[in-house]
Amino acid sequence: QKEVEQDPGPLSVPEGAIVSLNCTYSNSAFQYFMWYRQYSRKGPELLMYTYSSGNKEDGRFTAQVDKSSKYISLFIRDSQPSDSATYLCAMSAILIWGSQGNLIFGKGTKLSVKP
Amino acid sequence: DGGITQSPKYLFRKEGQNVTLSCEQNLNHDAMYWYRQDPGQGLRLIYYSQIVNDFQKGDIAEGYSVSREKKESFPLTVTSAQKNPTAFYLCASSMRLAQGDTQYFGPGTRLTVL
Repeated sequence: QKEVEQDPGPLSVPEGAIVSLNCTYSNSAFQYFMWYRQYSRKGPELLMYTYSSGNKEDGRFTAQVDKSSKYISLFIRDSQPSDSATYLCAMSAILIWGSQGNLIFGKGTKLSVKP
Repeated sequence: DGGITQSPKYLFRKEGQNVTLSCEQNLNHDAMYWYRQDPGQGLRLIYYSQIVNDFQKGDIAEGYSVSREKKESFPLTVTSAQKNPTAFYLCASSMRLAQGDTQYFGPGTRLTVL
């Protein structure tokens, strides 16, 4: 089982729809959860950052973490064509000396919002 | 403006050649990273560095080399030993190599081997 699983999509929705993007993970030590947005041929940019369980809202975006189910979500309300991008989840655990880097990424979900 | 720059944006290489990708940051971050991104594969860690003159192999370091002589700079060399180098390469940095530290990414370099 991979550490982080993310449905690659593609996901196509009409403008104004509510979008739900999800990741599941297997390592119960993950404490920090992030969502990155990546436009085509660009570097990823940080969208949301959450520590432990709970919800975090920023404008049209809501990040949700359910540690008991090992499941994180990103909701986009009133989706816009400009939201069309690939969304990557990422998470990190307590750093153990000698471990390889500090973020584990999902493979990304490609979202297309149609006008 | 603070940020991470990568150059060049596009790079073409003949088989058997070594090429070096540049990554510079002015965020005063200690930690820097190199990732490779292939379609359907997500981000795979090549090398990372938590401090000047120190770096560690990531998951796919074979065929790559790095140096960290300055805090601001973390160049990646793709050697002729890398069997399938055509990919999108991303450099990132974070304040420290520690739990929860956010990584910020550069715009990427697309390398194509002819």
